[in-house]
Formats: sequence, C-alpha cells, structure tokens
Amino acid sequence: DIQMTQSPSSLSASVGDSVTITCRATESITTYLTWYQHKPGKAPKLLIYAASTLQSGVPSRFSGGGSETDFTLTINSLQPEDFATYYCQQTFRSPWTFGQGTKVEI
Amino acid sequence: QITLKESGPMLVKPTETLTLTCTFSGFSFRTSGVGVGWLRQPPGKALEWLALIYWDDDKRYSPSLQNRLTVTKDPSKNQVVLTMTNMDPLDTATYYCAHRPIATYGTLFDPWGQGTLVTVSS
Repeated sequence: DIQMTQSPSSLSASVGDSVTITCRATESITTYLTWYQHKPGKAPKLLIYAASTLQSGVPSRFSGGGSETDFTLTINSLQPEDFATYYCQQTFRSPWTFGQGTKVEI
Repeated sequence: QITLKESGPMLVKPTETLTLTCTFSGFSFRTSGVGVGWLRQPPGKALEWLALIYWDDDKRYSPSLQNRLTVTKDPSKNQVVLTMTNMDPLDTATYYCAHRPIATYGTLFDPWGQGTLVTVSS
C-alpha cells in the first residue's frame, strides 16, 4: 500500500495568514494527488486534484503543488471559513489512501 | 446536481453485520466509468477508503477489510449497499458514500454524502 504522511498534524493561524501543508507518499504517484477540506459534521469537499488543478468553485487562494512523492497545499490569506481539517489522498492505485489530516485552527 | 445520502442503523452490537445503503441522484450507473465508493472516519482519526463499485459491477475492496466487506448496486433504485460482517467497537465511525467521477485524474471522490455515524456497542 502507498502510505501518505501529512505535516503538520495541526497548526494555529490567524485570518489573513498564509499556511502550507505538506503531504509525502512512500513511492512516486507522479501527480495523482487530491486535497480535501473537511469540516465537523459536513461532507468532505474536493479542493484540488492532479496535485495542482483547482476544483471548480474553489477560491483561488488555495493552491497545490508538487510531484512524485512530495506535495503541498497552500492557503493564502486565510479566511474564517478555511478553518477545517485538510486531507491528501493518493488517487494513483488501490487501495486509495489518505494522509492523517492537518487541522487548521485559530 | 449530484447528491448522495447514507442510511442504516446508528447502533450495532459486536459480531453483528452492518448494512448501509447509499441512495444517490444526479448520475447513473449507465454512464461508463462512474462509481460509488464507501469510506469511513473513526472519531478523531483519519479518513479510510473501504470499497468501490463501478458501473460495470467491477468491485474493489480495502485489503485489510476485504474478507468482511461486500458492496452491491441496484441501478433501478439508484442505490449502493455496503455490508460489513463481524462488527467490532473499533469499527465505530462515520461512514460515507461518495461519487467516483469519470474522466478524473485517478480515483477520487466527489461529492460525498453527509455521512452516518455507526456505533458498535453491546
């Protein structure tokens, strides 16, 4: 199985800050990497796929990058609605695996 | 607009079999490439993929759980059913079903249902 490791597991930030979350795969997944946003009691929401392609309707302050084994999710100018947990998922091969999540909190 | 909704028991006893139903709208299993996945999130833990069923009835299961899982579909009802045998308290989680779109970069899930919390306790 491809293991996905995110860091940090949590971070504190303020409205207006920029934050970067990293995700590392145990083997190359080229750019088969997706990011989700998850808020308590809600369905996870697709933010970015193919490592850097923004899903329709997602604000441009979100951006993704990386390839092979190392990936990043950057949120510029944090907004109150961005405080949530973010997960990466490799979409390369079954079993499709997730990182352990990064909680972005105030 | 694609929507999915999970239904099933909120409480099951250890060793029992869990049956969850996903009822969806906005897409059809007549569309080549489409699929419906099941995923879960134990309290305080990460998301975990469980199973996926494709339009052509091909199925994939998490290797760690595949001997306990069965996924089936009923296209006439726009439903997908997941059964998990021999439930354990460690299976306590919010269970989600999600749409697997066609023409995407690998297997991702979008959108997801709201989820249903299943507690395993005697």
